Amino acid sequence: GAVVSQHPSRVICKSGTSVKIECRSLDFQATTMFWYRQFPKQSLMLMATSNEGSKATYEQGVEKDKFLINHASLTLSTLTVTSAHPEDSSFYICSAISGASTDTQYFGPGTRLTVL
Amino acid sequence: GEDVEQSLFLSVREGDSSVINCTYTDSSSTYLYWYKQEPGAGLQLLTYIFSNMDMKQDQRLTVLLNKKDKHLSLRIADTQTGDSAIYFCAESSPGGTASKLTFGTGTRLQVTL
Repeated sequence: GAVVSQHPSRVICKSGTSVKIECRSLDFQATTMFWYRQFPKQSLMLMATSNEGSKATYEQGVEKDKFLINHASLTLSTLTVTSAHPEDSSFYICSAISGASTDTQYFGPGTRLTVL
Repeated sequence: GEDVEQSLFLSVREGDSSVINCTYTDSSSTYLYWYKQEPGAGLQLLTYIFSNMDMKQDQRLTVLLNKKDKHLSLRIADTQTGDSAIYFCAESSPGGTASKLTFGTGTRLQVTL
């Protein structure tokens, strides 16, 4: 149980385009999802917290207009990187919390974004 | 703010025990976690410990928590080559409806034959 998927696993796009990444909880309803960013050989940095049916809460320094988050259902959250630039190239990982536990996060496999 | 520290690298021989250490600063942490990340993959939850516990054992994994010193360790018995990965400790901090995680810097475990 507690499986989280992400799609796509890898994406390459041109500078200036927008990219959408999906995060799904496959066998549970996720009241809260988190989006992280990981640079090579570094730790995970929390970008935002997404609650179903409400606006996402962004961490300090994260541009909400650039990283659009939508948590439309209890099993799906999306992250859209708008007007992507090469410095947005990174590994994006989502996690989800089930309603049964407010503490344990289950992580997706990550999405590697490369902006040319 | 929260700060979670780990040593960057650990090399052990196959069959030996590995001990990965972590120090944290937030005394209000409720749970402490260990995650494993293989190259190009997401994070796999290995185990976790509630902050009022001292020890938790789960098969080859033993977690020790010294709350006074804010020190957490993960011991892997009979380390195998498949254990080679980056290990992150994380502490959860109460925050509204769901706790946030603060991750350590990660320890790369290399298992040699």
